[in-house]
Amino acid sequence: KAGVTQTPRYLIKTRGQQVTLSCSPISGHRSVSWYQQTPGQGLQFLFEYFSETQRNKGNFPGRFSGRQFSNSRSEMNVSTLELGDSALYLCASSLDPGGSADTQYFGPGTRLTVL
Amino acid sequence: DAKTTQPPSMDCAEGRAANLPCNHSTISGNEYVYWYRQIHSQGPQYIIHGLKNNETNEMASLIITEDRKSSTLILPHATLRDTAVYYCIVRVAGVGTGTASKLTFGTGTRLQVTL
Repeated sequence: KAGVTQTPRYLIKTRGQQVTLSCSPISGHRSVSWYQQTPGQGLQFLFEYFSETQRNKGNFPGRFSGRQFSNSRSEMNVSTLELGDSALYLCASSLDPGGSADTQYFGPGTRLTVL
Repeated sequence: DAKTTQPPSMDCAEGRAANLPCNHSTISGNEYVYWYRQIHSQGPQYIIHGLKNNETNEMASLIITEDRKSSTLILPHATLRDTAVYYCIVRVAGVGTGTASKLTFGTGTRLQVTL
């Protein structure tokens, strides 16, 4: 079974631009979560989607948004990019957030550099 | 979710067992212990998880103390490829509200396996 895939793997943008990142979960997984990893803040939770609905959100500004499609694929968007948005963006999928042990499996990440 | 405490770094000789400790003294009865690892700039890799019984899989063993206030991840025969940052996470599972999906990462233990 294929793992979580993220596209693109690398991205360079300039300040003020916007960016869209894509995540395809493991087949059959319905929950998709997004995380940001920076050297200073470590791994931080952005938001989680289940059945096309955002069910949980971390402490990030409104410039960070996401959505989930009916096939469980998810996108996240960052508008008006700032230098501090340079990070590794990670997507994780899980089978069922209500299950007894909803293990999350991570993709390889998208490395975003903002110049 | 309960907080965890891990040593910032550890060394292990190749071929020896690596024992990574984690303290989670405020863990609740419905919180699981999860272990992930992250090899440089890759997505975190799920290793193992448990509630109160010891667990073993093809990658590692997880030993949870009887009072559940601490645990140890054991890599029985460490190799150079096991060099990574190891994260111990405690989280609620099986709630079904969506909040269970959030993983709170600490700073982890940087394991260096040497020849």
